[in-house]
Amino acid sequence: EDQVTQSPEALRLQEGESSSLNCSYTVSGLRGLFWYRQDPGKGPEFLFTLYSAGEEKEKERLKATLTKKESFLHITAPKPEDSATYLCAVRGYQKVTFGTGTKLQVIP
Amino acid sequence: DSGVTQTPKHLITATGQRVTLRCSPRSGDLSVYWYQQSLDQGLQFLIQYYNGEERAKGNILERFSAQQFPDLHSELNLSSLELGDSALYFCASSPKWGQVGGEQYFGPGTRLTVT
Repeated sequence: EDQVTQSPEALRLQEGESSSLNCSYTVSGLRGLFWYRQDPGKGPEFLFTLYSAGEEKEKERLKATLTKKESFLHITAPKPEDSATYLCAVRGYQKVTFGTGTKLQVIP
Repeated sequence: DSGVTQTPKHLITATGQRVTLRCSPRSGDLSVYWYQQSLDQGLQFLIQYYNGEERAKGNILERFSAQQFPDLHSELNLSSLELGDSALYFCASSPKWGQVGGEQYFGPGTRLTVT
């Protein structure tokens, strides 16, 4: 069965304090690893898709990387508006499996 | 705005009742997914349709059913509702379902409260 584990569950950063979120996965036949951002009471917002080990994608202060067993979402010099829950998901042969997310709080 | 619409935004109903949630995917997207999200759990995948056909099934209860119509909109039917069915229900759409890819675009959700 496909599995996604995200750590830490919650992360509190000072504004400007860079850090990384981890997503460990096991999946039969990876067809894509996805990162989403979710604000309270809203639908997840798509950020990145990664397909193969070694791949990297960047968007503003966020950078996602992928290895054969895990993915990292690096947040550089975060701002309070980056506060949200970040979700990781993998697509196997049949379906997409989501992790439970990392709740990020960035304090001014 | 993702381009995915869901109605209604909020729904309050009693135990034992039946409700229908509606989703319109982004223009051109053929895949529709349904998810349930409650406070103590993450996003739980329920079911996926691709161009009108069921493609994948997750942890969907027998009391729940879904379909995708020829115009690609989808409906999720929840019957014999229980208190534990109270949750946010999200619909998502995807531009493709091929060998790779399948990033999803989520709607704003329907908040269901069962009393």
